[in-house]
Amino acid sequence: GAVVSQHPSRVICKSGTSVKIECRSLDFQATTMFWYRQFPKQSLMLMATSNEGSKATYEQGVEKDKFLINHASLTLSTLTVTSAHPEDSSFYICSAKMVNTEAFFGQGTRLTVV
Amino acid sequence: DAKTTQPPSMDCAEGRAANLPCNHSTISGNEYVYWYRQIHSQGPQYIIHGLKNNETNEMASLIITEDRKSSTLILPHATLRDTAVYYCIVREYAGGTSYGKLTFGQGTILTVHP
Repeated sequence: GAVVSQHPSRVICKSGTSVKIECRSLDFQATTMFWYRQFPKQSLMLMATSNEGSKATYEQGVEKDKFLINHASLTLSTLTVTSAHPEDSSFYICSAKMVNTEAFFGQGTRLTVV
Repeated sequence: DAKTTQPPSMDCAEGRAANLPCNHSTISGNEYVYWYRQIHSQGPQYIIHGLKNNETNEMASLIITEDRKSSTLILPHATLRDTAVYYCIVREYAGGTSYGKLTFGQGTILTVHP
């Protein structure tokens, strides 16, 4: 299957700082990328959908000013958690797809805010 | 997207077939059945998908009932590395107005034991 890479895999940051997570499709051009969040012992929750070159569509209850998503190219999307707080600590996962294909997932990023 | 119901957990002996059921009684005609799995602390992995015919690939087989209200994922010879959370998801194929986003339920925790 296609390869999606996330970086970093783990990050610890201080409360009040911002953290950027990268999601890259390594061997295909992703027309659409998705960002999910997963708390311990819970399922994945979709945060937003982004299409290359356009603004992301956020799910209800997700603050777009706190979780900034940029999808500037067909192989890269970034999620920036602004002014992070301990309650933002979670496992963040991206997925990417081409038109008419299934979605492929990155390995996830474990964010810990201290 | 149609809702799915899966048992919360299942056990399977190594080397035996693992049969994971999924109910999707409200599935509509243009919706596909997708299966993903998530091994602990990793991103989900695509397994298989189907519309109405049974499907098989190198990982698993998907059996969909004739009325399409339920399906079964079969791992023919389970190994310890197949221990994971298995998600059954129903949605429009790839594109559509939702751009193929996936809505994850709680899934089935499959434990393969020696």
